[in-house]
Amino acid sequence: QVHLAESGGDVVRVGESLRLSCTLSGFDVDDYALFWVRQAPGKGLEWVASVSYDGRDKDYAASVKGRFTISRDYSKNTLYLQLSSLRPDDTAMYHCARTADTPFDVWGQGTMVNV
Amino acid sequence: QSVLTQPPSVSAAPGQTITISCSGGSSNIEKNYVSWYQHVPGTAPKLVIYDTFRRRSGIPDRFSGSKSGTSATLGISGLQPGDEATYYCGTRDSSLRVWLFGGGTKVTVL
Repeated sequence: QVHLAESGGDVVRVGESLRLSCTLSGFDVDDYALFWVRQAPGKGLEWVASVSYDGRDKDYAASVKGRFTISRDYSKNTLYLQLSSLRPDDTAMYHCARTADTPFDVWGQGTMVNV
Repeated sequence: QSVLTQPPSVSAAPGQTITISCSGGSSNIEKNYVSWYQHVPGTAPKLVIYDTFRRRSGIPDRFSGSKSGTSATLGISGLQPGDEATYYCGTRDSSLRVWLFGGGTKVTVL
Protein backbone atom coordinates (compact mmCIF):
# COMPACT_ATOMS: atom_id res chain seq x y z
CA GLN A 1 0.00 0.00 0.00
CA VAL A 2 1.37 3.38 -1.00
CA HIS A 3 2.03 5.50 2.07
CA LEU A 4 3.73 8.82 2.79
CA ALA A 5 4.24 9.79 6.43
CA GLU A 6 5.65 13.13 7.57
CA SER A 7 7.35 13.78 10.88
CA GLY A 8 9.55 16.36 12.56
CA GLY A 9 7.11 19.21 13.01
CA ASP A 10 7.54 21.23 16.19
CA VAL A 11 7.13 24.60 17.90
CA VAL A 12 10.24 26.71 17.27
CA ARG A 13 11.35 30.30 17.70
CA VAL A 14 11.98 32.84 14.97
CA GLY A 15 15.37 32.26 13.36
CA GLU A 16 15.65 28.63 14.43
CA SER A 17 16.00 25.57 12.21
CA LEU A 18 14.09 22.32 11.85
CA ARG A 19 14.28 19.21 9.67
CA LEU A 20 11.14 17.53 8.39
CA SER A 21 11.10 13.93 7.17
CA CYS A 22 8.73 12.06 4.90
CA THR A 23 8.93 8.27 4.98
CA LEU A 24 7.92 6.65 1.69
CA SER A 25 6.61 3.09 1.39
CA GLY A 26 4.68 0.80 -0.94
CA PHE A 27 6.16 2.04 -4.21
CA ASP A 28 9.41 2.38 -6.12
CA VAL A 29 10.61 5.84 -5.04
CA ASP A 30 13.16 5.95 -7.89
CA ASP A 31 10.32 6.56 -10.34
CA TYR A 32 8.90 9.64 -8.64
CA ALA A 33 9.62 13.31 -8.18
CA LEU A 34 8.84 14.38 -4.62
CA PHE A 35 7.37 17.57 -3.27
CA TRP A 36 6.69 19.55 -0.14
CA VAL A 37 3.45 21.55 -0.03
CA ARG A 38 2.30 23.60 2.96
CA GLN A 39 -0.94 25.05 4.23
CA ALA A 40 -0.83 27.97 6.62
CA PRO A 41 -3.74 28.31 9.06
CA GLY A 42 -6.81 29.57 7.22
CA LYS A 43 -4.95 29.65 3.91
CA GLY A 44 -4.74 27.51 0.79
CA LEU A 45 -2.10 25.08 -0.43
CA GLU A 46 1.32 26.46 -1.34
CA TRP A 47 3.99 24.50 -3.21
CA VAL A 48 7.27 24.81 -1.27
CA ALA A 49 9.93 22.67 -2.96
CA SER A 50 10.43 19.74 -5.29
CA VAL A 51 13.19 17.28 -6.17
CA SER A 52 13.35 15.23 -9.37
CA TYR A 53 13.20 11.44 -9.45
CA ASP A 54 17.00 11.25 -9.79
CA GLY A 55 17.70 13.96 -7.22
CA ARG A 56 19.50 16.20 -9.71
CA ASP A 57 16.94 18.97 -10.06
CA LYS A 58 15.60 20.94 -7.13
CA ASP A 59 13.20 23.85 -7.28
CA TYR A 60 11.95 26.19 -4.56
CA ALA A 61 9.19 28.70 -4.10
CA ALA A 62 10.47 32.27 -3.95
CA SER A 63 9.21 32.55 -0.36
CA VAL A 64 11.61 29.85 0.89
CA LYS A 65 14.52 29.97 -1.56
CA GLY A 66 17.83 30.30 0.26
CA ARG A 67 16.29 29.23 3.58
CA PHE A 68 14.89 25.74 2.89
CA THR A 69 16.69 22.75 1.39
CA ILE A 70 15.01 19.67 -0.06
CA SER A 71 16.84 16.35 -0.26
CA ARG A 72 16.13 12.65 -0.60
CA ASP A 73 17.82 9.51 0.68
CA TYR A 74 17.17 6.56 -1.60
CA SER A 75 18.67 4.06 0.85
CA LYS A 76 16.22 5.13 3.55
CA ASN A 77 13.25 5.82 1.25
CA THR A 78 12.97 9.21 2.90
CA LEU A 79 12.41 12.77 1.73
CA TYR A 80 13.68 15.66 3.83
CA LEU A 81 13.08 19.38 4.14
CA GLN A 82 15.62 21.40 6.08
CA LEU A 83 14.04 24.63 7.29
CA SER A 84 16.33 27.47 8.39
CA SER A 85 15.90 31.10 9.43
CA LEU A 86 12.29 30.32 10.24
CA ARG A 87 9.78 33.15 10.25
CA PRO A 88 6.23 33.39 11.66
CA ASP A 89 4.79 33.14 8.14
CA ASP A 90 6.39 29.68 7.80
CA THR A 91 3.83 28.42 10.32
CA ALA A 92 1.90 25.75 8.45
CA MET A 93 1.02 22.12 8.02
CA TYR A 94 3.70 20.63 5.75
CA HIS A 95 2.65 17.79 3.42
CA CYS A 96 4.86 15.64 1.22
CA ALA A 97 3.55 14.32 -2.09
CA ARG A 98 4.77 12.30 -5.06
CA THR A 99 4.49 12.88 -8.79
CA ALA A 100 5.23 10.73 -11.82
CA ASP A 101 2.92 10.99 -14.83
CA THR A 102 0.14 12.11 -12.52
CA PRO A 103 0.90 15.21 -10.44
CA PHE A 104 0.58 14.96 -6.66
CA ASP A 105 -1.27 11.67 -6.87
CA VAL A 106 -0.57 10.64 -3.27
CA TRP A 107 -0.04 12.91 -0.27
CA GLY A 108 0.88 12.47 3.35
CA GLN A 109 -1.27 13.68 6.20
CA GLY A 110 1.18 16.42 7.17
CA THR A 111 3.31 17.59 10.06
CA MET A 112 2.74 20.93 11.80
CA VAL A 113 5.39 23.62 12.15
CA ASN A 114 4.69 26.52 14.51
CA VAL A 115 7.06 29.48 14.48
CA GLN B 1 -3.09 35.96 -2.95
CA SER B 2 -3.01 32.90 -5.26
CA VAL B 3 -2.19 33.24 -8.95
CA LEU B 4 -5.04 30.79 -9.56
CA THR B 5 -8.36 32.29 -8.49
CA GLN B 6 -11.20 30.19 -7.08
CA PRO B 7 -14.45 31.24 -5.41
CA PRO B 8 -14.09 30.89 -1.61
CA SER B 9 -17.23 28.82 -1.17
CA VAL B 10 -20.03 27.02 -2.96
CA SER B 11 -23.07 25.44 -1.35
CA ALA B 12 -25.97 23.39 -2.64
CA ALA B 13 -28.51 20.83 -1.53
CA PRO B 14 -27.95 17.07 -1.88
CA GLY B 15 -28.52 15.85 -5.41
CA GLN B 16 -27.79 19.18 -7.03
CA THR B 17 -24.94 20.04 -9.38
CA ILE B 18 -22.20 22.54 -8.65
CA THR B 19 -19.28 23.93 -10.59
CA ILE B 20 -16.06 25.39 -9.24
CA SER B 21 -14.04 27.73 -11.42
CA CYS B 22 -10.29 28.19 -11.44
CA SER B 23 -9.02 31.24 -13.29
CA GLY B 24 -5.38 31.57 -14.25
CA GLY B 25 -3.29 32.81 -17.15
CA SER B 26 -1.62 32.03 -20.43
CA SER B 27 1.52 30.59 -18.83
CA ASN B 28 -0.24 28.21 -16.47
CA ILE B 29 -3.78 26.94 -17.10
CA GLU B 30 -3.79 27.71 -20.82
CA LYS B 31 -0.51 25.88 -21.43
CA ASN B 32 -0.68 22.98 -18.96
CA TYR B 33 -2.88 20.25 -17.59
CA VAL B 34 -4.99 21.08 -14.55
CA SER B 35 -5.58 18.86 -11.53
CA TRP B 36 -8.16 19.07 -8.77
CA TYR B 37 -7.66 18.00 -5.16
CA GLN B 38 -10.14 17.32 -2.38
CA HIS B 39 -9.04 18.20 1.14
CA VAL B 40 -10.67 17.66 4.49
CA PRO B 41 -8.69 19.36 7.31
CA GLY B 42 -6.54 16.95 9.24
CA THR B 43 -6.31 14.46 6.40
CA ALA B 44 -4.14 14.01 3.33
CA PRO B 45 -5.34 15.89 0.25
CA LYS B 46 -6.74 13.55 -2.37
CA LEU B 47 -6.34 13.77 -6.14
CA VAL B 48 -9.71 13.83 -7.86
CA ILE B 49 -9.09 14.99 -11.44
CA TYR B 50 -5.82 15.04 -13.40
CA ASP B 51 -4.80 15.92 -16.95
CA THR B 52 -7.66 18.46 -16.85
CA PHE B 53 -10.49 15.93 -17.27
CA ARG B 54 -9.33 12.44 -16.25
CA ARG B 55 -10.81 10.98 -13.09
CA ARG B 56 -8.49 9.25 -10.71
CA SER B 57 -9.25 5.57 -10.25
CA GLY B 58 -12.07 5.16 -7.75
CA ILE B 59 -13.50 8.64 -8.24
CA PRO B 60 -17.16 8.46 -9.31
CA ASP B 61 -18.23 9.86 -12.65
CA ARG B 62 -20.21 12.51 -10.77
CA PHE B 63 -16.92 14.41 -10.82
CA SER B 64 -15.81 16.04 -14.07
CA GLY B 65 -13.12 18.45 -15.22
CA SER B 66 -12.83 20.80 -18.16
CA LYS B 67 -10.82 23.75 -19.40
CA SER B 68 -11.30 26.68 -21.75
CA GLY B 69 -8.49 29.11 -22.38
CA THR B 70 -7.16 30.38 -19.07
CA SER B 71 -9.93 28.90 -16.91
CA ALA B 72 -10.66 25.41 -15.66
CA THR B 73 -13.79 24.01 -14.06
CA LEU B 74 -14.59 21.17 -11.67
CA GLY B 75 -18.13 19.86 -11.79
CA ILE B 76 -19.81 17.73 -9.16
CA SER B 77 -23.25 16.33 -9.96
CA GLY B 78 -25.58 14.48 -7.62
CA LEU B 79 -23.98 16.23 -4.67
CA GLN B 80 -23.61 14.05 -1.55
CA PRO B 81 -22.81 14.91 2.08
CA GLY B 82 -19.50 13.04 1.67
CA ASP B 83 -18.46 15.58 -0.96
CA GLU B 84 -18.08 18.28 1.69
CA ALA B 85 -14.46 19.40 1.55
CA THR B 86 -12.25 22.14 0.23
CA TYR B 87 -11.31 21.70 -3.42
CA TYR B 88 -8.11 23.07 -4.92
CA CYS B 89 -7.08 23.41 -8.53
CA GLY B 90 -3.42 22.99 -9.39
CA THR B 91 -1.14 23.33 -12.38
CA ARG B 92 2.38 24.18 -13.42
CA ASP B 93 3.44 27.63 -14.55
CA SER B 94 5.75 27.26 -17.54
CA SER B 95 7.15 30.79 -17.32
CA LEU B 96 7.77 30.90 -13.57
CA ARG B 97 8.78 27.22 -13.36
CA VAL B 98 6.69 26.78 -10.25
CA TRP B 99 3.72 24.69 -9.22
CA LEU B 100 0.57 26.64 -8.43
CA PHE B 101 -2.54 25.94 -6.40
CA GLY B 102 -5.73 27.90 -6.22
CA GLY B 103 -6.91 29.43 -2.97
CA GLY B 104 -9.43 26.64 -2.46
CA THR B 105 -13.23 26.44 -2.60
CA LYS B 106 -15.12 25.13 0.40
CA VAL B 107 -18.06 23.00 -0.69
CA THR B 108 -20.98 22.80 1.73
CA VAL B 109 -23.86 20.37 1.26
CA LEU B 110 -26.93 22.00 2.74
